[in-house]
Amino acid sequence: EPEVTQTPSHQVTQMGQEVILRCVPISNHLYFYWYRQILGQKVEFLVSFYNNEISEKSEIFDDQFSVERPDGSNFTLKIRSTKLEDSAMYFCASTRTSGLVDVVGETQYFGPGTRLLVL
Amino acid sequence: AQTVTQSQPEMSVQEAETVTLSCTYDTSESDYYLFWYKQPPSRQMILVIRQEAYKQQNATENRFSVNFQKAAKSFSLKISDSQLGDAAMYFCAYRAGYGGSQGNLIFGKGTKLSVKP
Repeated sequence: EPEVTQTPSHQVTQMGQEVILRCVPISNHLYFYWYRQILGQKVEFLVSFYNNEISEKSEIFDDQFSVERPDGSNFTLKIRSTKLEDSAMYFCASTRTSGLVDVVGETQYFGPGTRLLVL
Repeated sequence: AQTVTQSQPEMSVQEAETVTLSCTYDTSESDYYLFWYKQPPSRQMILVIRQEAYKQQNATENRFSVNFQKAAKSFSLKISDSQLGDAAMYFCAYRAGYGGSQGNLIFGKGTKLSVKP
């Protein structure tokens, strides 16, 4: 069964450094998402992406964040200058539709996550 | 704003027994979807079961079923005949229907389920 994959599984970085988290969504999916989970807290929505542009973003997704689909398979999240509070598990998800067709199509499939630690 | 609340941080069940995980949500919308996701240790979140708000019938998937009470805004998950492999973190999630948000999920904090042999 196709899966969403994410690399790296763990990333340690120094405060102020740039990080790029990578995701490969399921191949026929059209909508992509990033979520994060700070340790002990809820999974929070960051951004959704469709047709090479951001569809929606949360208030967490400020100017330090950006997303890109540089080729036909990868979907990346860049944090320009990391802060201590960016330490979290980052999940990528993809879905075939966005509720326009059927519920099955809009089920979000999640990757295993990247654990980011900012020192 | 929509919120999802899971009031049980941890639950424990004996193998082969039944356990119910609670979830409540708050929304002013009438069209939405509800999901339960399972996250085993060091593994990705996988969908367990989903419910469309317009359907009165409770969703079932093998040993997993939900008790969807729309008026009470309650969406509990029942796991029957619990197995060791059911041990995981379970997340309840809400998604607005078409016409609402672009599809992002709103999650509860999760319930950690332990299964005792």
